[in-house]
Amino acid sequence: TAGITQAPTSQILAAGRSMTLRCTQDMRHNAMYWYRQDLGLGLRLIHYSNTAGTTGKGEVPDGYSVSRANTDDFPLTLASAVPSQTSVYFCASSVTGQSFTEAFFGQGTRLTVV
Amino acid sequence: ILNVEQSPQSLHVQEGDSTNFTCSFPSSNFYALHWYRWETAKSPEALFVMTLNGDEKKKGQISATLNTKEGYSYLYIKGSQPEDSATYLCAFTAGNTPLVFGKGTRLSVIA
Repeated sequence: TAGITQAPTSQILAAGRSMTLRCTQDMRHNAMYWYRQDLGLGLRLIHYSNTAGTTGKGEVPDGYSVSRANTDDFPLTLASAVPSQTSVYFCASSVTGQSFTEAFFGQGTRLTVV
Repeated sequence: ILNVEQSPQSLHVQEGDSTNFTCSFPSSNFYALHWYRWETAKSPEALFVMTLNGDEKKKGQISATLNTKEGYSYLYIKGSQPEDSATYLCAFTAGNTPLVFGKGTRLSVIA
């Protein structure tokens, strides 16, 4: 079972360029999330989606956008990357958005903006 | 923004020692408290999801307790082994909101 898959695994991106981080899950989970991990700051929520067709802003949404056209996919787009967006990005999913059930995480995407 | 605090930030113990960590969270509007184990170069994996005041959960040598009235949870590891070395994250949710994670406790178990 694949679970939740992120692509690419890592990327070096020039500042000002756009990029989409991909996230796909095959567990038919309703809720999906994007977190960024930075040293000393832990996991911070960027955007989330409780169900296909809906999205919400997390703690650090600026500079990022998401869409949820279907249940399985939840891409994260950086429209114009800046060096402060250098981070490790984790996609996660859970059965529902009510957080009674555990979240499953992808393997992460390491992004370096230069 | 909900504040979830974990202590200590890091911990070094000898193999065989028992240890515990603390997670503090807002006591109002409690919905659920999660614990995750995060090994280096891997993804976080769920240990426990706790929803009721007084909940105690156990998985092998790892257990957790929950006090929603005072806003804290303890994670205990009995007889730590080197393979228990990881960062332990707690995450809190209030109402129908996404999980808010603490910064984690990094455990190193020395053989």
